Amino acid sequence: DTAVSQTPKYLVTQMGNDKSIKCEQNLGHDTMYWYKQDSKKFLKIMFSYNNKELIINETVPNRFSPKSPDKAHLNLHINSLELGDSAVYFCASSQTGASYGYTFGSGTRLTVV
Amino acid sequence: GQQVMQIPQYQHVQEGEDFTTYCNSSTTLSNIQWYKQRPGGHPVFLIQLVKSGEVKKQKRLTFQFGEAKKNSSLHITATQTTDVGTYFCAGRVGGNKLVFGAGTILRVKS
Repeated sequence: DTAVSQTPKYLVTQMGNDKSIKCEQNLGHDTMYWYKQDSKKFLKIMFSYNNKELIINETVPNRFSPKSPDKAHLNLHINSLELGDSAVYFCASSQTGASYGYTFGSGTRLTVV
Repeated sequence: GQQVMQIPQYQHVQEGEDFTTYCNSSTTLSNIQWYKQRPGGHPVFLIQLVKSGEVKKQKRLTFQFGEAKKNSSLHITATQTTDVGTYFCAGRVGGNKLVFGAGTILRVKS
């Protein structure tokens, strides 16, 4: 069973389109995250939800909107896609106070053409 | 903002040579984590260090946390081709925010 699963794995879309990426974790963790990894491999936090409450909201364009219907799911919706949005987006989860780290999903490679 | 600097950016080694990557923070960290990302893969948690001066080993990997809890290192002894990937440190500065270093890309020539 996949611990943190994201769909889709690949997404190719045209500029101006709206798209969503879904994430689900079956680890019972209370916190979920979205990270963006650019072509230089830099991992940048975008959002974090703890028990469905937004706790980290980094400086990202408001075209990006996260939604957490429950603590096992964190989706990312992107409006009016731009070329610069092309990257790999990783979902991750963790448990507050645990001695182990984040569990990452396998990533969604978004290409905007 | 809070930053975690990581060097070197790239390292190419001959198989069997040692490898070290270093992390430095401008502020004291409550803990530091290390992750490995294989080419085309996702980051995978390796270890967490919490105590000042802590040293932990995992087979050929040795992790250290500085006395001031502002720096850390990962050392791999006698690299193998399976060690190829990007190694990230990630420092926690209070709360639940984990700040990742830029990563060190390790290539191993056989």
